[in-house]
Amino acid sequence: AQSVTQLDSHVSVSEGTPVLLRCNYSSSYSPSLFWYVQHPNKGLQLLLKYTSAATLVKGINGFEAEFKKSETSFHLTKPSAHMSDAAEYFCVVSRAGGGADGLTFGKGTHLIIQP
Amino acid sequence: DVKVTQSSRYLVKRTGEKVFLECVQDMDHENMFWYRQDPGLGLRLIYFSYDVKMKEKGDIPEGYSVSREKKERFSLILESASTNQTSMYLCASWEARSSYNEQFFGPGTRLTVL
Repeated sequence: AQSVTQLDSHVSVSEGTPVLLRCNYSSSYSPSLFWYVQHPNKGLQLLLKYTSAATLVKGINGFEAEFKKSETSFHLTKPSAHMSDAAEYFCVVSRAGGGADGLTFGKGTHLIIQP
Repeated sequence: DVKVTQSSRYLVKRTGEKVFLECVQDMDHENMFWYRQDPGLGLRLIYFSYDVKMKEKGDIPEGYSVSREKKERFSLILESASTNQTSMYLCASWEARSSYNEQFFGPGTRLTVL
């Protein structure tokens, strides 16, 4: 079985400061891991994905995540927050086979950007 | 670009009604999925389908059924809607044969059951 734990339900940072959204996963096989973002009243957008290639994954809008197998973590970072980054972020693990059986989502982290 | 469309953005139904949520994808994807999204719970998988007339239960299938008569269309059915099925429902599709490995999501249907 697989599961995802997002360690913070809300994160608040000031504009221009670094962002860290924490995610731990559990999987009985080599997982595919993803981060999705959902802006208010908008659809889900893929930020980045890890599929057993490079452990440091770069995504859109300056976000990146590092896969650490020893720590079973896949934390999302960004060096400098923008107001437009305010959104809900989901850490996601494939159920099996890279996504053929669907995805398991974390409960989400609400990112707040203070001016 | 892959496009996943859902028949309604907003839907209001009464308890006990039979409800159909429709999803269509235009990229000939084999796999399709239905999720529900609730605040503080993230998205949870209800059902998925590998191919026409094939279906598999996800994590929370109780109270739901699905139909896939054509490859591009995947329907979610609430046989007798209840208030605890008030939620946002998202459909997704995925190509099993490519290495691209991304699920493409529709815009969602916000269902309210009164």
